[in-house]
Amino acid sequence: QSALTQPRSVSGSPGQSVTIPCTGTSSADGAYNYVSWHQQDPGKAPKLIIYDANKRPSGVPDRFSGSKSGNTASLTISGLQAVDEADYYCSSYTGRYMVFGGGTKVTVL
Amino acid sequence: EVQLVQSGAEVREPGATVKISCRVSGYTFTDYYIHWVRQAPGKGLEWMGRVDPDDGLTIYAKKFRGRVVLSADTSIDTAYMELSSLRSEDTAVYYCRGWRPPSVMDVWGQGTTVTVSS
Repeated sequence: QSALTQPRSVSGSPGQSVTIPCTGTSSADGAYNYVSWHQQDPGKAPKLIIYDANKRPSGVPDRFSGSKSGNTASLTISGLQAVDEADYYCSSYTGRYMVFGGGTKVTVL
Repeated sequence: EVQLVQSGAEVREPGATVKISCRVSGYTFTDYYIHWVRQAPGKGLEWMGRVDPDDGLTIYAKKFRGRVVLSADTSIDTAYMELSSLRSEDTAVYYCRGWRPPSVMDVWGQGTTVTVSS
């Protein structure tokens, strides 16, 4: 149940793309890890933006995309906008235990 | 509308116990697990455990085993999180979350602030 590893912060200018890696999303026993990404604004509850590593809920802009390769999942924000400035958390769920990454603050320059 | 409504803010002294409720509406209570997640001031999200309202089965994060009890009352569609032996490090916002993969539905309560202070 070790925490997932994310960079503490990333930044980009409007229109640019940023990618947030999240390592530790594979289990040693080979169990399926269900990876999600949440966006959190200050003082608000987290909001799901990516589920099952690369699926996007309806209503989430398509500039948000997720991927997973081996032990690392990634969230990419394409065409960065000012409204995307927030904290982003990855999480991995094995069906029994869940673990979150430490969170990444995205700053729009 | 799908909603999870949590009980209000709590203040406790060190060593005390707190119990938070999470009332579900807008979906069948037994269809989704209720997870509990906390967030200390300025810190990240931390999973505490989950309860399956359908059968009451619980799974706890190792860190909280022995100190937390999760439960669910299907007669009133409400889940509970009870944390004992409180210490200052337990000061945090506690969230309940209705979610069960592979469903895309993911609903969070508004959060309950727990302050532990003498």
